[in-house]
Amino acid sequence: AQSVTQPDIHITVSEGASLELRCNYSYGATPYLFWYVQSPGQGLQLLLKYFSGDTLVQGIKGFEAEFKRSQSSFNLRKPSVHWSDAAEYFCAVGGGSQGNLIFGKGTKLSVKP
Amino acid sequence: NAGVMQNPRHLVRRRGQEARLRCSPMKGHSHVYWYRQLPEEGLKFMVYLQKENIIDESGMPKERFSAEFPKEGPSILRIQQVVRGDSAAYFCASSPRAGDSVNSPLHFGNGTRLTVT
Repeated sequence: AQSVTQPDIHITVSEGASLELRCNYSYGATPYLFWYVQSPGQGLQLLLKYFSGDTLVQGIKGFEAEFKRSQSSFNLRKPSVHWSDAAEYFCAVGGGSQGNLIFGKGTKLSVKP
Repeated sequence: NAGVMQNPRHLVRRRGQEARLRCSPMKGHSHVYWYRQLPEEGLKFMVYLQKENIIDESGMPKERFSAEFPKEGPSILRIQQVVRGDSAAYFCASSPRAGDSVNSPLHFGNGTRLTVT
């Protein structure tokens, strides 16, 4: 069955510290992978996506993610977190012809001053 | 350059009433997706529509829920005889081309938060 697992429900990091949010997927075909961010009361904004090629992808707001096929993972990273990064982050997998995405349950990020 | 517009932002309904949620896709987008987000959960796909056609409704509950995307006007998600379990955030997303998330990632609206009392 197709699924996305985000093992960490809530993470707190200090401002300026590095960040890594974990994402593991189960998908029968070649996965297309996405990270979205959701601020409170808002919709989802696309941070970055992976389709093929270089397994390290760069996104907006200084985020990057690395696709590791052997580990079925697509972890999101940022070298130095800013207070404005506090939000909920969703990993998603797609690839079907309909464009539907399967989302993880999200990881809520809190940033300490 | 307006994004995906959803209204209302918040909707309160009593059990048994009808809820109508509207979604205007981004300009030039003719493909609409509806997702539901339950508390503490990720988004779950409900239905995918193109103009005047339902393409995939595999995620839609079989009863009480319906969706349309007419030739003119917004897409509508309709929930009849709402129950407390329908309380959730409902998100609409649009894309410019046929269901190819590779080249046309989904653009999401800010959602409608439905509360059933």
